[in-house]
Amino acid sequence: AQSVTQLGSHVSVSEGALVLLRCNYSSSVPPYLFWYVQYPNQGLQLLLKYTTGATLVKGINGFEAEFKKSETSFHLTKPSAHMSDAAEYFCAVSDQENYGQNFVFGPGTRLSVLP
Amino acid sequence: ETGVTQTPRHLVMGMTNKKSLKCEQHLGHNAMYWYKQSAKKPLELMFVYSLEERVENNSVPSRFSPECPNSSHLFLHLHTLQPEDSALYLCASSQGHPPGAQYFGPGTRLTVT
Repeated sequence: AQSVTQLGSHVSVSEGALVLLRCNYSSSVPPYLFWYVQYPNQGLQLLLKYTTGATLVKGINGFEAEFKKSETSFHLTKPSAHMSDAAEYFCAVSDQENYGQNFVFGPGTRLSVLP
Repeated sequence: ETGVTQTPRHLVMGMTNKKSLKCEQHLGHNAMYWYKQSAKKPLELMFVYSLEERVENNSVPSRFSPECPNSSHLFLHLHTLQPEDSALYLCASSQGHPPGAQYFGPGTRLTVT
């Protein structure tokens, strides 16, 4: 079975500071990895995904994440936080074999951006 | 319309009512999902449909009844709900094999009184 942990249910950064949201996963087969963002009263929006190939993945809104197999991690970063980045962020893992049945979300990290 | 749409966006119902949530995807995907999102709890996968057949039912109470008449539409029929069923219900779709990213609708905020 797969699982996802996100260290820190709430992260606060100053505007302009580096954003680092942590995600670690466990999977017995090669994973697909995803980051989603959720703004209040909205659905989840895909930020970026890793399937195969390059381990550094760039997404929308200036976010990127690096797949590190040896560390079973897929941390999300952004060099400079903007007020509009304040939202809830979810890491998710799916395996490459099962038909969407093993799509597991982490508990989420709420990002606050301070002026 | 583009992406995944859900109606209604907000719903208030009594415990004896019957209502339905509707989801429609305009992405040509072949898998659809219902999730429940409650405050301070992780996303809970409720149902998965692949090619219009239900492939997963995560021990969801029978007062929730899904229906997938075609690959673009998904319904969640609700009856005799409990107050603890109040939550945001999210629909998602994906291209199923290999499983790609899921694309979500805006959700229906359900309040059971």
